[in-house]
Amino acid sequence: AQKITQTQPGMFVQEKEAVTLDCTYDTSDQSYGLFWYKQPSSGEMIFLIYQGSYDEQNATEGRYSLNFQKARKSANLVISASQLGDSAMYFCAMREWADKLVFGAGTILRVKS
Amino acid sequence: DAMVIQNPRYQVTQFGKPVTLSCSQTLNHNVMYWYQQKSSQAPKLLFHYYDKDFNNEADTPDNFQSRRPNTSFCFLDIRSPGLGDAAMYLCATSRAGPNEKLFFGSGTQLSVL
Repeated sequence: AQKITQTQPGMFVQEKEAVTLDCTYDTSDQSYGLFWYKQPSSGEMIFLIYQGSYDEQNATEGRYSLNFQKARKSANLVISASQLGDSAMYFCAMREWADKLVFGAGTILRVKS
Repeated sequence: DAMVIQNPRYQVTQFGKPVTLSCSQTLNHNVMYWYQQKSSQAPKLLFHYYDKDFNNEADTPDNFQSRRPNTSFCFLDIRSPGLGDAAMYLCATSRAGPNEKLFFGSGTQLSVL
């Protein structure tokens, strides 16, 4: 069964606007972590933001915030004030106690000037 | 400052000729991972080490082997590369636990001729 689902293969956003990238997950563990990574065309995998399953507040890191809705099992990434450099592939991922980080299929984001 | 180092950045091998990719880390993390990523796809976990304990994914072909001689180094051996093995290979490290993020190397792009 798919553990991480990203339903948006591609997204466009106008520069300086906000964009939400969707992610839903499936787990029976009580303790797990949710991560978002950015992968530009250079191929490096850049950590953006983390949300723990027991965290009551949504995580924020600069222009990135994570809209965590535990009951719905969703962990959407919100990027505010989009910049041209935000154009990249974005992966949602989950880590359980088995120590494996499992990725969703990814969303390609294109920022338009 | 590089914390997870992969060599080489680009590797070209011939069909059926064994090839070894290397990864080293300066973070002293006890978990190390190898992912395979094909173009426009999510990284796929091949295997990971928790200290010296090797964990193979069920669908990882026997053609792929790994060695971890010490905490700092991990190797990916492809015994008989096929055309379908051409991909980006990503090494990552982390501490154990669902709340720990993975640190990725820059990857090795493998071409099979």
